Amino acid sequence: DAKTTQPPSMDCAEGRAANLPCNHSTISGNEYVYWYRQIHSQGPQYIIHGLKNNETNEMASLIITEDRKSSTLILPHATLRDTAVYYCSDSGGYQKVTFGTGTKLQVIP
Amino acid sequence: NAGVTQTPKFQVLKTGQSMTLQCAQDMNHNSMYWYRQDPGMGLRLIYYSASEGTTDKGEVPNGYNVSRLNKREFSLRLESAAPSQTSVYFCASKVYEQFFGPGTRLTVL
Repeated sequence: DAKTTQPPSMDCAEGRAANLPCNHSTISGNEYVYWYRQIHSQGPQYIIHGLKNNETNEMASLIITEDRKSSTLILPHATLRDTAVYYCSDSGGYQKVTFGTGTKLQVIP
Repeated sequence: NAGVTQTPKFQVLKTGQSMTLQCAQDMNHNSMYWYRQDPGMGLRLIYYSASEGTTDKGEVPNGYNVSRLNKREFSLRLESAAPSQTSVYFCASKVYEQFFGPGTRLTVL
């Protein structure tokens, strides 16, 4: 099973960029990297995904290393509403999608 | 579209009672999932269904059974509830990124 590891917590000053790392050392060559976030006890919400190239959407940017063993989610201008738990995952070999323990991001005023 | 719906939202059981958590999606997704999330913890995969007619065990399947009733519906059954099954249960579905339901908060006394 693919496993991901993330730091348990991070702080970021409001207005600064938040860089959240993820190691996915067992990811397969054709599996995508996905990022989600969970606010309070709501269901997680999709943020962004990528395979090899860096990706950007209206919410965030995703940088994937060339060997695909790690990725970084970037929130360019963190706001207080970005305080949440962030999970990285993969597309799941044979559709089996598991998550790590996530990173709790605290945005500080 | 309602997305992913779960019923009930809250449930209290006594040890040994049984119950079924219902999940439905209206996005025509092939894959569906059940996760549990204990307080302060990440998501753990209980069971998943890669397509209609198939189900597979996840990371923590003991004490649970599932049924993929049709393409829309995926139910989770606790045959004899135990206090260790007190948790928030999330259902999800996907083609690419996962869409999560709002969760069922279950307490077993």
